[in-house]
Amino acid sequence: QKEVEQDPGPLSVPEGAIVSLNCTYSNSAFQYFMWYRQYSRKGPELLMYTYSSGNKEDGRFTAQVDKSSKYISLFIRDSQPSDSATYLCAMSGAGNQFYFGTGTSLTVIP
Amino acid sequence: EPEVTQTPSHQVTQMGQEVILRCVPISNHLYFYWYRQILGQKVEFLVSFYNNEISEKSEIFDDQFSVERPDGSNFTLKIRSTKLEDSAMYFCASIPQAPPYTFGSGTRLTVV
Repeated sequence: QKEVEQDPGPLSVPEGAIVSLNCTYSNSAFQYFMWYRQYSRKGPELLMYTYSSGNKEDGRFTAQVDKSSKYISLFIRDSQPSDSATYLCAMSGAGNQFYFGTGTSLTVIP
Repeated sequence: EPEVTQTPSHQVTQMGQEVILRCVPISNHLYFYWYRQILGQKVEFLVSFYNNEISEKSEIFDDQFSVERPDGSNFTLKIRSTKLEDSAMYFCASIPQAPPYTFGSGTRLTVV
C-alpha cells in the first residue's frame, strides 16, 4: 500500500468553480500536512500547512485534515485561471522525511 | 522573503560523468534535504542532513550519491557516475526545526 494516494486528474473546471482536491494516507503517525502548488518544471510552492487535525483557511484556500479517516482535502473557492497548476499533498510524522502524493493537475478555464 | 537558491537551473551531462548540484538553504534553517522528481512522477525523498551528517536517506540514495555542507552556507548533492535514469528535477529544501519545507526552484538534470 502506498504511503500517500492522490488522484492525478487531470481536473478541468470553469472559472469561479469550487475545486476539491484530496489525498488519503495509510500511516497513522503522520501529523504534518501540507499542500504545495507546482508549475511546470518549477519547485513546489507552499500553499497551506496544517499540524494534526482540523481546518485552516487562507483567502480562497481551505485545508482540512481528518486523521480518523486518514484523509486530507484542499478546497479552492472562486477558482481563477491563475490557479491552473499541479497540486501536491505532502505529509510526515515525527521523522523529517516527507511523503508526497503524485499531484493533481488542475486547469481552470476562463 | 527568504529563499532557497539552487544552481544551476539546468545541467546537461554525459552518462558516467560526475555532477554537483548546489543549494544555498535559508540561513537560520537547521535541516536540509534533497528530493528529486522524474518527469511526470511524484516528488521522492533522497536524503536529509542535520548537524553536518546524514540523518535519513532513501533506497534511491545509493553509493553514487553523496551530500556535503562544505561551508556555512552551501549544501551540495554529488552524483559520481550519472546514469540516464538520474535525469530528473532535483529540489533542495530546508526547515528551521519543524515543517513546513521551503523548496528551491530546482535543478533540471539531463543525462545524455
